[in-house]
Amino acid sequence: AQKITQTQPGMFVQEKEAVTLDCTYDTSDPSYGLFWYKQPSSGEMIFLIYQGSYDQQNATEGRYSLNFQKARKSANLVISASQLGDSAMYFCAMVGYGQNFVFGPGTRLSVLP
Amino acid sequence: GAVVSQHPSWVICKSGTSVKIECRSLDFQATTMFWYRQFPKQSLMLMATSNEGSKATYEQGVEKDKFLINHASLTLSTLTVTSAHPEDSSFYICSAPTPDRAYGYTFGSGTRLTVV
Repeated sequence: AQKITQTQPGMFVQEKEAVTLDCTYDTSDPSYGLFWYKQPSSGEMIFLIYQGSYDQQNATEGRYSLNFQKARKSANLVISASQLGDSAMYFCAMVGYGQNFVFGPGTRLSVLP
Repeated sequence: GAVVSQHPSWVICKSGTSVKIECRSLDFQATTMFWYRQFPKQSLMLMATSNEGSKATYEQGVEKDKFLINHASLTLSTLTVTSAHPEDSSFYICSAPTPDRAYGYTFGSGTRLTVV
């Protein structure tokens, strides 16, 4: 069975600083995808970044980068130059071949002015 | 890009009534739609998977007679909460595989249901 762990229920970061949100996963599938989603108070799920299990390089999307350490089964999200609008819930998720999405419990990020 | 339109955004209903939530895929065909429920300060929990033209697959513990899912066309999937009770109050959100990417899923904007 697949499982996602996010050990940080809440995080604070000063505006313009970088922050790392932790995510570890467990799966027996050799092929899988890892995702990060942002959920603001409005409830919508906003796709941030994707990492495939066979991707050699860490994914980057603008201010978002994914620190993928396959041997450690971790897929931490790094947000650089935090902005006030980054305050939201962040979910790590994974999907294996032929399987459904599994979401982690989420981390609430608060960006301080 | 692919968009899943979900309506209504929020609904308040009386206990015992039924509520229908719609998810429409715009500009693409969604043969599969996933339905999630999210309680406050919790993660998304998969309720069921609907497939166009066939019966939905429900996750363990989800009452199929209470949460009726219909996927009658390639662009529309509906979730009907029947005989709603206050404990059904939650945030419901749908998602479909994004066709223009080899990965990823497009989410609807969610429906906040309050049963009074």
